[in-house]
Amino acid sequence: AQRVTQPEKLLSVFKGAPVELKCNYSYSGSPELFWYVQYSRQRLQLLLRHISRESIKGFTADLNKGETSFHLKKPFAQEEDSAMYYCAANSGSARQLTFGSGTQLTVLP
Amino acid sequence: NAGVTQTPKFQVLKTGQSMTLQCAQDMNHEYMSWYRQDPGMGLRLIHYSVGAGITDQGEVPNGYNVSRSTTEDFPLRLLSAAPSQTSVYFCASSSSGYNSPLHFGNGTRLTVT
Repeated sequence: AQRVTQPEKLLSVFKGAPVELKCNYSYSGSPELFWYVQYSRQRLQLLLRHISRESIKGFTADLNKGETSFHLKKPFAQEEDSAMYYCAANSGSARQLTFGSGTQLTVLP
Repeated sequence: NAGVTQTPKFQVLKTGQSMTLQCAQDMNHEYMSWYRQDPGMGLRLIHYSVGAGITDQGEVPNGYNVSRSTTEDFPLRLLSAAPSQTSVYFCASSSSGYNSPLHFGNGTRLTVT
C-alpha cells in the first residue's frame, strides 16, 4: 500500500539551529514527492517539490531512493518557520496525493 | 482571483443530519479533491474529480457523496452525519499539468454531536 511516514509529530529547535524534518515513503514505481506547509491561520500551501530541485525559504529536500526518504532541511531555522509541515507523494500519472501525518515545527527564540 | 473558496467555515450537525460542504475554484482547474484532516492522521483523500462529470473515490469515501456538474464547483455531501465525521475538511484543486501543485481552500471545521 502507498504510505508516507513522518515519524516526528512535534519538533522544536532554537532559532539559528539546523532543522531536519523526516519523511519516508513506501510506494510502487517512482512517486513524485512534495512538501506542503500550513502556517498558523493560513491555508495549506506547497513549499517545494522534488521535480523542481528548488530551494524555497532556505529549505531543501533531497530524494534518497535507496532509503526511500525525502527529508526537509534548513541550515538555520527562523521563528517564522514555525508551522505544520506535511510530506506528500503521488503515484506518478495520478494526481491523488497521499499525505503523511505531519510534523509541527516550533522554532524557539 | 479568489482561488479555492469553501463554505461554510464552521458547522455543527446532529447525528443523522445531512449537509453539503461547498467548494468553488476560479482558476479553471480540471482536478479537484476533498480531504479530511484529523489529528495524528494527516490529510486523507475522500473523493476526487479529474473533470466535469467525472468523480472517483479516494481513501475514505464512505458516508460522503460528490458530484461535478461544472468545472468550478465540487460539493461534498454528508448523507447522514456521524460523530466519526467530525473533522476539518479541505477542498483542493490543480491544473492538468503533470506535478501541478494543489491549491487548497481555507477548510471547513465540522462537528457532529
